[in-house]
Amino acid sequence: GAGVSQSPSNKVTEKGKDVELRCDPISGHTALYWYRQSLGQGLEFLIYFQGNSAPDKSGLPSDRFSAERTGGSVSTLTIQRTQQEDSAVYLCASSVGTSLRSSPLHFGNGTRLTVT
Amino acid sequence: GNSVTQMEGPVTLSEEAFLTINCTYTATGYPSLFWYVQYPGEGLQLLLKATKADDKGSNKGFEATYRKETTSFHLEKGSVQVSDSAVYFCALSDGNNRLAFGKGNQVVVIP
Repeated sequence: GAGVSQSPSNKVTEKGKDVELRCDPISGHTALYWYRQSLGQGLEFLIYFQGNSAPDKSGLPSDRFSAERTGGSVSTLTIQRTQQEDSAVYLCASSVGTSLRSSPLHFGNGTRLTVT
Repeated sequence: GNSVTQMEGPVTLSEEAFLTINCTYTATGYPSLFWYVQYPGEGLQLLLKATKADDKGSNKGFEATYRKETTSFHLEKGSVQVSDSAVYFCALSDGNNRLAFGKGNQVVVIP
């Protein structure tokens, strides 16, 4: 079956430009997460959506980062005025339930962002 | 806050060798613990989990036991194969339904 789909798979952008990264979660999954994976670092939590609840934005590193989830499905992560330190792999994950104890995260293959 | 620490550096070993990847955690309350694996060219996927102290998670020949007394969740496999070459991440879930990940360990199995 279809997994979590992310696009584009690779994005190269110039410093100062805005970028949008897209995530299509698994159909029926109510929870959606964005993580960032930088070279030599673990996965850094960015934002979490659960159903119609207000998102948990506590991991967003600056106000240049924002995300939305339309219709409880597709999500877009937007980075404004990109900086070189934004270069990383951005991972999206979805889950069918509300508890990670019983509902594992399913990850996409990520978008590799390079800011030149 | 909640955090996970994995041993530093990649792990290179021969086929059929014994694999151990150390993972320790810091958490308030009673977190659930996970190992995720990322095979080359693929997304992260859940390998195994344990939701309470003394639980043992197992899958594909891998095992990890939730040790509350040592705050550890070390991953082991008795006889690795080339196909086990991947990056392995230890993680814990906090009370806010998020996963906190370690930095990951690259495992390379040589034939």
